Amino acid sequence: GAVVSQHPSWVICKSGTSVKIECRSLDFQATTMFWYRQFPKQSLMLMATSNEGSKATYEQGVEKDKFLINHASLTLSTLTVTSAHPEDSSFYICSAAKGQSSSSGRGEQFFGPGTRLTVL
Amino acid sequence: DAKTTQPPSMDCAEGRAANLPCNHSTISGNEYVYWYRQIHSQGPQYIIHGLKNNETNEMASLIITEDRKSSTLILPHATLRDTAVYYCIVRATPGYSSASKIIFGSGTRLSIRP
Repeated sequence: GAVVSQHPSWVICKSGTSVKIECRSLDFQATTMFWYRQFPKQSLMLMATSNEGSKATYEQGVEKDKFLINHASLTLSTLTVTSAHPEDSSFYICSAAKGQSSSSGRGEQFFGPGTRLTVL
Repeated sequence: DAKTTQPPSMDCAEGRAANLPCNHSTISGNEYVYWYRQIHSQGPQYIIHGLKNNETNEMASLIITEDRKSSTLILPHATLRDTAVYYCIVRATPGYSSASKIIFGSGTRLSIRP
């Protein structure tokens, strides 16, 4: 149990276009999901915390109008990189935390496999 | 969450035990020690966590000092597939309130040599 998927696994787009990345908890309900970004040879950097049915909380320095997060259901959160530029090329990773209704592991986080975005 | 300090890199011979240290001198009483690892181009993978007692599972053992200011992750018989970046993280207990965010440090890049 506790599987998190991301789609797509990789994407290449032209500068100026928008890209949507999906994060799904496949076998549990996730009231909270987190989005991270990772540049080559660097650690994961938390971008935002997404709670189902409410606005995301962004970390300092992360532009909320550029990285749109929607968490419309207990199993799906989406990250949209708007007007992408080459500097947005990165590895985007989500994690999902088990909800309070879970019989075990409440609050524990499980990570997706990541999405590699390349902006030309 | 408390800050952790790890060596940037280590190497270990295949089949030997890999011991990865972590300092967390400012850990609070309600904070757990968690270990994750990240194999190249994959998402982080949970390894083990503990509060103050030593813990063991099928992947690794976690040794926490009595004062809780440091810990060691032990991979008993390292294989080439254990080559990854290992992250030591301290965080508040999940589950009793909203999920707490995980802040990753630089981690230790572990290389297993044949």
